[in-house]
Amino acid sequence: EIVLTQSPGTLSLSPGERATLSCRASQSVSIRYLAWYQQKPGQAPRLLFYGASSRAPGIPDRFSGSGSGTDFTLTISRLEPEDFAVYYCQQYGTSLTFGPGTKVDIK
Amino acid sequence: EAQLVESGGGLVQPGRSLRLSCAASGFTFDDFAMHWVRQAPGKGLEWVSGIGWNRVSLGYADSVKGRFTISRDNAKNSLYLHMNSLRAEDTALYYCAKTDYCSASSCPFDLWGRGTLVTVSS
Repeated sequence: EIVLTQSPGTLSLSPGERATLSCRASQSVSIRYLAWYQQKPGQAPRLLFYGASSRAPGIPDRFSGSGSGTDFTLTISRLEPEDFAVYYCQQYGTSLTFGPGTKVDIK
Repeated sequence: EAQLVESGGGLVQPGRSLRLSCAASGFTFDDFAMHWVRQAPGKGLEWVSGIGWNRVSLGYADSVKGRFTISRDNAKNSLYLHMNSLRAEDTALYYCAKTDYCSASSCPFDLWGRGTLVTVSS
């Protein structure tokens, strides 16, 4: 099983700041099989990126995804109030696993 | 508008069974693989099981293998999860999820329901 580790566990930032979230895999993941999701309290997850860097419809371009191999990154260039949430990475190439999540909260 | 609505959750005693349903609308259900994902209270996401458009199982998490069965009825635009021998650790919000943006039959989840809560307790 591919284990995903996300860091940091919590990221405390202010609106307008840049957020950089990391997802590391226990073995190499094809870039075609890495996704990012956003989950707000009381809501279902929402797909942000698939294939590591392909933005899902309706996702603002302040969000970007990058990485390859075992190291992937989700970047939010300038945090908006609605971006404070929990973010999960997922690999879907070898079975399916999610990372434990990174909570982005307001500093 | 595409939508998934789960139902069937509730309070159940350990060792008992429960069947969850997911009603799909707004898209061609039998074109897409479907999955169940759960989230224990205050915890992260855990993939449970998936099924192909052609009703072929895509597998189960080790934690539910042999106890849960996934199925679908394309004529009714519905996905099911039959859960047997329930344990306290199965307590979670169960989401159904639709796939899209596939690459070589591997797919992320582009649409999620709001979930149905299963509580296993005596």
